[in-house]
Amino acid sequence: GNSVTQMEGPVTLSEEAFLTINCTYTATGYPSLFWYVQYPGEGLQLLLKATKADDKGSNKGFEATYRKETTSFHLEKGSVQVSDSAVYFCALSDRDTGGFKTIFGAGTRLFVKA
Amino acid sequence: SQTIHQWPATLVQPVGSPLSLECTVEGTSNPNLYWYRQAAGRGLQLLFYSVGIGQISSEVPQNLSASRPQDRQFILSSKKLLLSDSGFYLCAWSAAWGGKQETQYFGPGTRLLVL
Repeated sequence: GNSVTQMEGPVTLSEEAFLTINCTYTATGYPSLFWYVQYPGEGLQLLLKATKADDKGSNKGFEATYRKETTSFHLEKGSVQVSDSAVYFCALSDRDTGGFKTIFGAGTRLFVKA
Repeated sequence: SQTIHQWPATLVQPVGSPLSLECTVEGTSNPNLYWYRQAAGRGLQLLFYSVGIGQISSEVPQNLSASRPQDRQFILSSKKLLLSDSGFYLCAWSAAWGGKQETQYFGPGTRLLVL
């Protein structure tokens, strides 16, 4: 079945450091890939997405490229801010019996220190 | 614009008591609806999803149930809560016509503590 694996956290960085959060997936079809972010005490919200191979999703300085050859969708940001502290979830959506289903990774907590 | 509401925001319940969490969506028709649970420090577990009124798919066998009495209303229930039911419950919706490209939109969540 489909699955998503992302690096374990927490990840602790200083402000203005470079961020990479690794995400790899297993899928039988051609899924869409997403990154969601969850700020403390809130629900998840979409950060970016890519719907086909080689697409790059980007938003708020974050970006991720859909790499079919390595089945990866790593999240990157060139210079993190304290306000980026949150939990980041990688997810895939693909056809399933009865419709489409989204599978989430376990989440990676990011702490950014001033 | 579309909005999603969940209530209550926080709930403390004794073991063995019943549960009813409600989720409503505004500004869209015939959405796909989802209930997730997030245990402390862990990822999201899909509990139920619905593609239409009265249509519920269960992902994990448990003592919880879900119902969709109206197009934009999704209810999570239990007859008798267990300690292990504690967690953060998130409702989400997605547009039915977009297929796998569709984003899920999450509510603010309900934090449930079973004592």
